Amino acid sequence: AQSVTQLDSQVPVFEEAPVELRCNYSSSVSVYLFWYVQYPNQGLQLLLKYLSGSTLVKGINGFEAEFNKSQTSFHLRKPSVHISDTAEYFCAVSDWRDYKLSFGAGTTVTVRA
Amino acid sequence: KAGVTQTPRYLIKTRGQQVTLSCSPISGHRSVSWYQQTPGQGLQFLFEYFSETQRNKGNFPGRFSGRQFSNSRSEMNVSTLELGDSALYLCASSLDRGSYEQYFGPGTRLTVT
Repeated sequence: AQSVTQLDSQVPVFEEAPVELRCNYSSSVSVYLFWYVQYPNQGLQLLLKYLSGSTLVKGINGFEAEFNKSQTSFHLRKPSVHISDTAEYFCAVSDWRDYKLSFGAGTTVTVRA
Repeated sequence: KAGVTQTPRYLIKTRGQQVTLSCSPISGHRSVSWYQQTPGQGLQFLFEYFSETQRNKGNFPGRFSGRQFSNSRSEMNVSTLELGDSALYLCASSLDRGSYEQYFGPGTRLTVT
């Protein structure tokens, strides 16, 4: 079974500053990794995914993430945040045996002017 | 292309009643999964349907059930509602079982009183 740990439950950050959201996973097999964003009263929007290939993955809205197999991590970064990036962010994992997503507890990002 | 749609968006029910939620996947998508989101338990997988068959089931009691129709639309049903069933129920669709990327709808907010 897989599990996901998001190391920060809340991250306050000033506008135009960089942000990093940390995600660690555990699994006995090769995994597929995802970051989703959820704005208030909305569903989840896929930011980016790692399925195979390059370990540096670029997504929408200027986000990127790096897959590190040795550290079992998939941290999300953005070099300069906007007020509109205020939302909850979820890291998720699945594997080839099982198409369900296992989610972390989420990280709430609050961007302040 | 239209996204995943879920109806109704909001629902208020009384303990002991039953409820049916509906999900229409993205056109051409054949796999539909359901997730429950609560503040206490986070995002949890309920079940997955593909080709009108349940392919995977999460750790939920038998009061939670679902089905998928030939046009890939899906419904989930909760019988004998309990207060703890209050949650945001999210539907996600993917092109195929092997595509891994899941696209979420806006959810149905169920409140049980």
